Amino acid sequence: SAVISQKPSRDICQRGTSLTIQCQVDSQVTMMFWYRQQPGQSLTLIATANQGSEATYESGFVIDKFPISRPNLTFSTLTVSNMSPEDSSIYLCSVAAGSYNEQFFGPGTRLTVL
Amino acid sequence: EDKVVQSPLSLVVHEGDTVTLNCSYEVTNFRSLLWYKQEKKAPTFLFMLTSSGIEKKSGRLSSILDKKELFSILNITATQTGDSAVYLCAVEAPGETYKYIFGTGTRLKVLA
Repeated sequence: SAVISQKPSRDICQRGTSLTIQCQVDSQVTMMFWYRQQPGQSLTLIATANQGSEATYESGFVIDKFPISRPNLTFSTLTVSNMSPEDSSIYLCSVAAGSYNEQFFGPGTRLTVL
Repeated sequence: EDKVVQSPLSLVVHEGDTVTLNCSYEVTNFRSLLWYKQEKKAPTFLFMLTSSGIEKKSGRLSSILDKKELFSILNITATQTGDSAVYLCAVEAPGETYKYIFGTGTRLKVLA
């Protein structure tokens, strides 16, 4: 398994500002994932972050809006840029680990944009 | 289009009841299906299923996969209030390792 921490756990932000969310894993992992979960919805994958290469974004998500860094095998950041109320969501990072490379999730960041 | 559909969307039962949650999928090149329990923010892993007909069991929870009919069920027996949560089903996305498509979840509420 993997132990994942995220910072901040929650934040309230003004429209037009940006927020960077940090994700730290207690072991080296190749692939890290960033998900969004809007109120009452399921998880939607934003992008896959691999160390040493550009993140791979899913349809509907772009680098200018959600820039991602992956400086090493235990850490990643997701920035939510130029926020609007529609960005209010829980943002989760996850890694593939464990015996079956099942996904483990961080505790999430609850973002509210006013 | 690849998709994962869960039913029912929500369910209210009383303690001691048995519940069955459903997950059906349409994904090319199926590799695995996972079940998660989400109580507040982070989903916690329950089961990974890759083979048809082999039941996975953990305490009062069990799950089985039918790759012919493209579905899985999650059973919870003798439910307790602590089982109240959203249960998510996820299927590994085709062409990408360890990337999953999540269903919308089933919200279970167990009343004392």
